[in-house]
Amino acid sequence: DIQMTQSPSSLSASVGDRVTITCRASQAISPYLAWFQQKPGKAPRSLIYAASTLQSGVPSKFSGSGSGTDFTLTISSLQPEDFATYYCQQYKSYPPTFGGGTKVEIK
Amino acid sequence: EVQLVQSGAEVKKPGESLKISCKGSGYSFDAYWIGWVRQMPGKGLEWMGIIYPGDSDPKYSPSFQGQVIISADKSTSTASLQWSSLKASDTAMYYCVRTSSSYFPYIDFWGQGTLVTVSS
Repeated sequence: DIQMTQSPSSLSASVGDRVTITCRASQAISPYLAWFQQKPGKAPRSLIYAASTLQSGVPSKFSGSGSGTDFTLTISSLQPEDFATYYCQQYKSYPPTFGGGTKVEIK
Repeated sequence: EVQLVQSGAEVKKPGESLKISCKGSGYSFDAYWIGWVRQMPGKGLEWMGIIYPGDSDPKYSPSFQGQVIISADKSTSTASLQWSSLKASDTAMYYCVRTSSSYFPYIDFWGQGTLVTVSS
């Protein structure tokens, strides 16, 4: 299986901050990388697929980039509703595998 | 509007059987894959397997092969996940997901989740 490693595992940030989360794959997966957001007690929500394509309805403050094995999710200006756990997932190789998650907390 | 509506929370004893369901609506159910994702308490997301309702041929993650059965009924637009003998370690939230119809399918929609608690 392809291993997905996210960093950091948690971070504290303030409203208005620019936040970047990194995801590294154990082998090249470009561009088959997705990002998800999960708020406490809720189902995950799909944010991005193909490394940089926003799912329908996802605000443009979210952006994804990267290629090969290294990818990033950026939130341009953190808002209260963005405090959540974020997961990456590769879907190039079966089974799809998820990163361990990054918890974004309020500073 | 695409919706995946899952069956309600379950409390079971070890050794009991269980089948949970996921009903799709707002799209052509037999044209998209349905997958299942496990989230154990306080933990991350794990891929269990996937099925194409068009031919009901499941594909399992090696970690879950032989542990669960994934099925689908296109006549009722419902996918299911079942256990024949539950263990305490099966306690988790289970999500069904729809994946795109592309060659490399990505998750686009999630069900609301079904909490399964296994305790004596």
